[in-house]
Amino acid sequence: NAGVTQTPKFRILKIGQSMTLQCTQDMNHNYMYWYRQDPGMGLKLIYYSVGAGITDKGEVPNGYNVSRSTTEDFPLRLELAAPSQTSVYFCASSYTGTSGRDTQYFGPGTRLTVL
Amino acid sequence: GNSVTQMEGPVTLSEEAFLTINCTYTATGYPSLFWYVQYPGEGLQLLLKATKADDKGSNKGFEATYRKETTSFHLEKGSVQVSDSAVYFCALSHNAGNMLTFGGGTRLMVKP
Repeated sequence: NAGVTQTPKFRILKIGQSMTLQCTQDMNHNYMYWYRQDPGMGLKLIYYSVGAGITDKGEVPNGYNVSRSTTEDFPLRLELAAPSQTSVYFCASSYTGTSGRDTQYFGPGTRLTVL
Repeated sequence: GNSVTQMEGPVTLSEEAFLTINCTYTATGYPSLFWYVQYPGEGLQLLLKATKADDKGSNKGFEATYRKETTSFHLEKGSVQVSDSAVYFCALSHNAGNMLTFGGGTRLMVKP
């Protein structure tokens, strides 16, 4: 099992450019998440998905879009990059039932700089 | 809303010292509580968790007890090693969406 994989590891964007951060999990988890981690801060939830075809906003969704066409993949799209989106992005997944108390497994992160 | 507060770092200790990292939370009802660890250049890994009051989570010599009366989940280790140097995050999960609310993280540096 590779677990949760993310690509790319690093990226530098110019203001106004767009890009997609890729996330794949091979654990057959139903839930997937995108977080951002700003320097010296905890993680904040951007979007999450409870299954293929279903996504919902988290705490900081502005400037991002997601889709979930398969169980395995959960890409995050930045349409018009801004300096405020400079951050480290983490994808996570979990197998979650009705209790909502399940362990999330994290990918290694993508470090994005917008200049 | 839910929130998690951790002691600010960095915490610098000598090898074999005793470690405490404080974590308190605000939430209605009975959240699950987690400690995640982030080693340099890596993603977060679950260190331990507790799902109900008075539960003790433990792993790799680390322990934390879910104290509902003080809304706390302090992380402890009796004897730290250089390899424990990392950033530690306290978090809670409190809804059917399984969304985590994180504290700000505490950087631990252990010197030989």
